[in-house]
Parts: sequence; C-alpha cells; structure tokens
Amino acid sequence: EAGVVQSPRYKIIEKKQPVAFWCNPISGHNTLYWYLQNLGQGPELLIRYENEEAVDDSQLPKDRFSAERLKGVDSTLKIQPAELGDSAVYLCASSSPSGPYNEQFFGPGTRLTVL
Amino acid sequence: AQSVAQPEDQVNVAEGNPLTVKCTYSVSGNPYLFWYVQYPNRGLQFLLKYITGDNLVKGSYGFEAEFNKSQTSFHLKKPSALVSDSALYFCAVRDSFNQAGTALIFGKGTTLSVSS
Repeated sequence: EAGVVQSPRYKIIEKKQPVAFWCNPISGHNTLYWYLQNLGQGPELLIRYENEEAVDDSQLPKDRFSAERLKGVDSTLKIQPAELGDSAVYLCASSSPSGPYNEQFFGPGTRLTVL
Repeated sequence: AQSVAQPEDQVNVAEGNPLTVKCTYSVSGNPYLFWYVQYPNRGLQFLLKYITGDNLVKGSYGFEAEFNKSQTSFHLKKPSALVSDSALYFCAVRDSFNQAGTALIFGKGTTLSVSS
C-alpha cells in the first residue's frame, strides 16, 4: 500500500511570504496529524484531525498557521506570513481508526527554509 | 505532564556488538510506548510498541525493547548491530488516560552510529 505522501519535499521562501504544505494520508486512515520537527528535536504535534474535524489544535499558532482537511482525506497546512523561526521539517502522519494506540505512519516531511 | 527522556544524544557501537538506546518516561497513567527510527531525509518509521503484556517487545529489523515499570524505562536493544542500523531513534509515549487526543510525545532523539 502507498504510504503517506507529502509535497513539496523542500521549500525555500523569504520571510513574510506565505507557504502551504500538502499531505495525502494512507487510504482508510481517518486520523491525520501535522507535526513540527525542529533540528535536533523530536516531532511536536501541531494539529490532529479525526476525519474532517480538528480535534486537537491547541499547539497550532493560530495567528499565522492554519490547516484544513475539507473532505476528510487530504490536508493542507498553511503559514502566512512565514517567519525565520518557522524553518523546520513539517511532518504529516496518519493512523487507522481501530484504536488510539495504533502506530502512526509518517510521511517524508517538508523541509522549510525561511530566509 | 507527559514526557520522554532520551539521555544520550549519540550512541556508538561496533558492528556485531549489542546495542542499547535508552528511554525513560513520565506519564500520569499507564503508558503506551513506541520506538521510531528516522533515516536522513525520510519520515519516521515505526519499530515497535508496548501496550500491555510481556515486558519484552519484539519489533522490526531485529530490534526489541524492554519495558520496566519500576524504573519507568523502555530501552531499545539489538543483540548484534549492523552498519545499516545507523540512524536517529526516537522514543515516544502516549498516556492511556489522556482523553484529549492520541498524539505522541517524542523524546529529542538519539543518534546511533554503528562502525564497521
């Protein structure tokens, strides 16, 4: 089966510009996560979706970050405007609906560089 | 608050020797524990998990982990290291009593370097 797909893989932008990341989860996985991974750190949750509903967005900086999962499948994470400190890897993950302790499957990530 | 600690930034072992990557955790209830591996420019790959049952959990690529409740540890082990095991390893935890969500709390990672 296909894994979690993310695009683009790399993005370089200047500060104050907008940027968007796209994620396509594994087919049938209704839970989707966006994580932020700073250099030398473990991933940290930004937002979690159950189908199209954002059920945990407490760590999402809502002044500049937004996300959507309109049809409960693909998801987009947006930053507007980007700041230098947003340079990081943005990981998307998905898990199946059969239990909260099921493993999450991660995409390759989008490496963002803000100049 | 839930937390995970990986006390070693880097572990160096020779090929063929046993390896251990350490992890300790802190949760308010029963823990669900995971190990993931990350190769350069790739996403995290699941290795193994502990939910309940036997304290020794076997996973992918010959890895295993030992759950120790009294020491609140979940160390990753492999009897004989391979050069191809060189990567970044993350321990993660989910608190079974956390009703707010199923997100994982990750440690900062340990770089494993296996020399030939």
